[in-house]
Amino acid sequence: GQNIDQPTEMTATEGAIVQINCTYQTSGFNGLFWYQQHAGEAPTFLSYNVLDGLEEKGRFSSFLSRSKGYSYLLLKELQMKDSASYLCAVMDSNYQLIWGAGTKLIIKP
Amino acid sequence: NAGVMQNPRHLVRRRGQEARLRCSPMKGHSHVYWYRQLPEEGLKFMVYLQKENIIDESGMPKERFSAEFPKEGPSILRIQQVVRGDSAAYFCASSLKREASYNEQFFGPGTRLTVL
Repeated sequence: GQNIDQPTEMTATEGAIVQINCTYQTSGFNGLFWYQQHAGEAPTFLSYNVLDGLEEKGRFSSFLSRSKGYSYLLLKELQMKDSASYLCAVMDSNYQLIWGAGTKLIIKP
Repeated sequence: NAGVMQNPRHLVRRRGQEARLRCSPMKGHSHVYWYRQLPEEGLKFMVYLQKENIIDESGMPKERFSAEFPKEGPSILRIQQVVRGDSAAYFCASSLKREASYNEQFFGPGTRLTVL
């Protein structure tokens, strides 16, 4: 079966760095997405990785290792507005997105 | 440039009634996806449609649920004879194309269905 695993909840302090991990087992791989979802709102796109390595975009970076079936999202200089759920999704060989349950990130002052 | 639009944003139905959810994709997008999200859970794929065609409905329950994307007008997700377990947020997303590795999906604000 297809499976995406990520921690249910994480807590971090304002101004700090946090890393959210995602491991996956899917039938085929056509890229990995990270989305941010604030409570009661729609998911918004953060990043896309299809090749191994690190993609940096401002305070957010995303890393992929295809051989290990592993990705992480790194958030630096955390702000209170970063409190949200972070969803990992993998596009399988049929170009269907398989979604993780999301990691709820709580930022404390 | 309007994004993905969904209406209504909130919908309350009694058990046994019908729920009709609408989605207008982004301009130029012909691929529409419907997802269901229960509280504190991730998104669950329901159905993928292109204009006038259902491409993949593997995530949609066989009974009571149907979806369409007519040539003119929005995509419709229809739930007949709703039950309490149908209470969830239903998100629609659209994309420019599917048969490509890079295929960002843009999400609408969702419709929150509550079944009393």
